[in-house]
Amino acid sequence: GNSVTQMEGPVTLSEEAFLTINCTYTATGYPSLFWYVQYPGEGLQLLLKATKADDKGSNKGFEATYRKETTSFHLEKGSVQVSDSAVYFCALSNYGQNFVFGPGTRLSVLP
Amino acid sequence: EAGVAQSPRYKIIEKRQSVAFWCNPISGHATLYWYQQILGQGPKLLIQFQNNGVVDDSQLPKDRFSAERLKGVDSTLKIQPAKLEDSAVYLCATKGRTNTIYFGEGSWLTVV
Repeated sequence: GNSVTQMEGPVTLSEEAFLTINCTYTATGYPSLFWYVQYPGEGLQLLLKATKADDKGSNKGFEATYRKETTSFHLEKGSVQVSDSAVYFCALSNYGQNFVFGPGTRLSVLP
Repeated sequence: EAGVAQSPRYKIIEKRQSVAFWCNPISGHATLYWYQQILGQGPKLLIQFQNNGVVDDSQLPKDRFSAERLKGVDSTLKIQPAKLEDSAVYLCATKGRTNTIYFGEGSWLTVV
């Protein structure tokens, strides 16, 4: 079946540090890949997505590239801010099927 | 465009009591999901609707959980009787023609 694995958190960084959160997946076919972010007390918000191999999703300074050869979709940001502190979820979906989420990675950015 | 609306936002009940959550999807979104998110974990699918029909309810604990989507728009999720382990956030999400789901802010349930 489909599954998503993320690096365990929490991840603690200083402001302006470089961020990488690893995500790998197992799926049949050619799934779409997503990163969702959850701020304290809120629901999940779509951060970025990629629908086919070698696509790069980007939003708010975050980027992730769909790597089919390594079945990965790592999230990166060059310079994090305190306001980026949240839980980040990697997810996949084969069109028309259920979305499968990773366990989430908590990021804390210190001033 | 209005987002996914959920209510109530917060609910505290005693075990063995019942509770109901309501979801109003984004207009025109045919697919609706209910997820359960236990603290520190990722969302787990409970049930998926396509219009007013159930697509997947394989992970719904049917002895205590029920859900319906009358007329293919609003949906309700009910828990009766509640157990302590049902304490979680219940997230409603909807999907339109694009392969992206949009979440509501969630209904936070505490069972004491």
